[in-house]
Amino acid sequence: GNSVTQMEGPVTLSEEAFLTINCTYTATGYPSLFWYVQYPGEGLQLLLKATKADDKGSNKGFEATYRKETTSFHLEKGSVQVSDSAVYFCALSDPGGSYIPTFGRGTSLIVHP
Amino acid sequence: DAGVIQSPRHEVTEMGQEVTLRCKPISGHNSLFWYRQTMMRGLELLIYFNNNVPIDDSGMPEDRFSAKMPNASFSTLKIQPSEPRDSAVYFCASSGGQGGTMTSPLHFGNGTRLTVT
Repeated sequence: GNSVTQMEGPVTLSEEAFLTINCTYTATGYPSLFWYVQYPGEGLQLLLKATKADDKGSNKGFEATYRKETTSFHLEKGSVQVSDSAVYFCALSDPGGSYIPTFGRGTSLIVHP
Repeated sequence: DAGVIQSPRHEVTEMGQEVTLRCKPISGHNSLFWYRQTMMRGLELLIYFNNNVPIDDSGMPEDRFSAKMPNASFSTLKIQPSEPRDSAVYFCASSGGQGGTMTSPLHFGNGTRLTVT
């Protein structure tokens, strides 16, 4: 079946530091890949997405590249801000899985001033 | 677009009571999902509807849980009787296509925080 594995958190960084949150996946087909972000007290919201190998999704300074050869979709940002403190979820949608999304466990990011 | 609307935002109830959570999806979306989020288990899919029909309810914990979608603009998740271990944040999400396709990622509501004492 499908699965998504994220690095365990929390990830604690100082403001302006470089961020990487690792995500790897297994899927039966050729999935679409997503990163969602959850701010305190809110639901998840889409951050970025990619649909095929080598696609790069980007939004709000965050980037992730769909790497089929390593089955990875790592999230990166060059300079984090305190306002980026949130929980980040990697997810996939696989046509072979009736498109029901599969989510990772989430990685908490804490950014200190 | 008002987004996905859930009510109530918070619910505190005693063990054994019936609890009903409500969701209004985004107009025009034809897929609806109920999730439960806890620290221990993370985000769990409870049930998925497509065009108001339950497609996958394998995540519903037990017979105490039931979900309905009588029309395209409303869904309920009911727990009867409630137990302390049901305490969690329950999210409703909708999407415009077949599940989470490229052109229609999930749109989540802000959740209902349920506390069962």
